[in-house]
Amino acid sequence: NAGVTQTPKFRVLKTGQSMTLLCAQDMNHEYMYWYRQDPGMGLRLIHYSVGEGTTAKGEVPDGYNVSRLKKQNFLLGLESAAPSQTSVYFCASSYSWTGPREQYFGPGTRLTVT
Amino acid sequence: AQSVTQPDIHITVSEGASLELRCNYSYGATPYLFWYVQSPGQGLQLLLKYFSGDTLVQGIKGFEAEFKRSQSSFNLRKPSVHWSDAAEYFCAVGRLGPGNTGKLIFGQGTTLQVKP
Repeated sequence: NAGVTQTPKFRVLKTGQSMTLLCAQDMNHEYMYWYRQDPGMGLRLIHYSVGEGTTAKGEVPDGYNVSRLKKQNFLLGLESAAPSQTSVYFCASSYSWTGPREQYFGPGTRLTVT
Repeated sequence: AQSVTQPDIHITVSEGASLELRCNYSYGATPYLFWYVQSPGQGLQLLLKYFSGDTLVQGIKGFEAEFKRSQSSFNLRKPSVHWSDAAEYFCAVGRLGPGNTGKLIFGQGTTLQVKP
């Protein structure tokens, strides 16, 4: 049981390049989330998904796209990377329920855009 | 709108001393509250959670937190800090209600430094 895994762990991009971050979970969770973490700003929600084939915008969605084609995977895409997207990205997942459940986090992806 | 405030950005305590990390939330109904810990270079790990019932909740690693509705607070405590507790701590709040998506709102985090 690996929990939540993220690929890659580190990446350096040039401005304008694109990339996809992969998140996978093996806990059969319905809900999945992408956050970015910046110093002094805590975690901010980028996009989330409440089930296979569904996605929704979070607090800071601009410049990112997501897809949830399979229940266990949640992809985060950057079509044209900008230096402002330099950050640490975390994926999380949780059970669905009538109320909030604890989220399980991956180890993070450190992205630098030059 | 929901919000979470962690007033202390950075705290330093001596090993063996007691610890209290503050968390205040703004929410109109009964909140669902969480504390997470993040060690350097790692993801977030759940320390404890409060959904309902006893307002004093116990978590892992000897941590506890107390929910005080009158003060809108959910402070994290530990009676004796160990050097391995040095990390960043996040308080988070979620809501129950129609259209619930399990989303959590996180505070800005408190960095704990432990002096030998």
